[in-house]
Amino acid sequence: DQQVKQNSPSLSVQEGRISILNCDYTNSMFDYFLWYKKYPAEGPTFLISISSIKDKNEDGRFTVFLNKSAKHLSLHIVPSQPGDSAVYFCAAIEPRSGSARQLTFGSGTQLTVLP
Amino acid sequence: GAVVSQHPSWVICKSGTSVKIECRSLDFQATTMFWYRQFPKQSLMLMATSNEGSKATYEQGVEKDKFLINHASLTLSTLTVTSAHPEDSSFYICSATSPGSNQPQHFGDGTRLSIL
Repeated sequence: DQQVKQNSPSLSVQEGRISILNCDYTNSMFDYFLWYKKYPAEGPTFLISISSIKDKNEDGRFTVFLNKSAKHLSLHIVPSQPGDSAVYFCAAIEPRSGSARQLTFGSGTQLTVLP
Repeated sequence: GAVVSQHPSWVICKSGTSVKIECRSLDFQATTMFWYRQFPKQSLMLMATSNEGSKATYEQGVEKDKFLINHASLTLSTLTVTSAHPEDSSFYICSATSPGSNQPQHFGDGTRLSIL
């Protein structure tokens, strides 16, 4: 059973417009959420994160929103640029004592920004 | 620049060959490294958690004897795919992080393994 879901496998947006990528989760124990960007044949690159005690975090063109009651988060990119075209993964972390905590990934959304 | 180096980036070999993939943290000590596997158009699936100086913890369904993990130093973890078969062909990615931290894990660029 997937604990982190990205229901849209792909999204196309015009350059300059807003891109909104969505992510839902089922595990209420998750307390930290991250977004990664991935180009083909490369490892994921960290974009932005949010703690479960917040509902918004902003970094430049990227803003992540968290709705805990709905178990939903979204990544907003504005304005979108052609270089933003990549696969975006949502990931979540569950509290665990001891060593570094492992990520649970969604299946990813391919964003294409059209010039 | 890259903080996690993964090598090789691409391997093509015959069925029955064993393949070793290296994951190095370049400018920090990684007590924990993670190994993921990704099938085309699917999510990154955690295979195992590798802790320096101790045995790796494997996720359910991952064969320990098939995917040997060694984390002998604070900067190096290796994944060996033993007696690889075509169904082992996949994209393998490692990541490294510091213990007890929310810091985003740093990922290697991945290794594409193709078994003929």
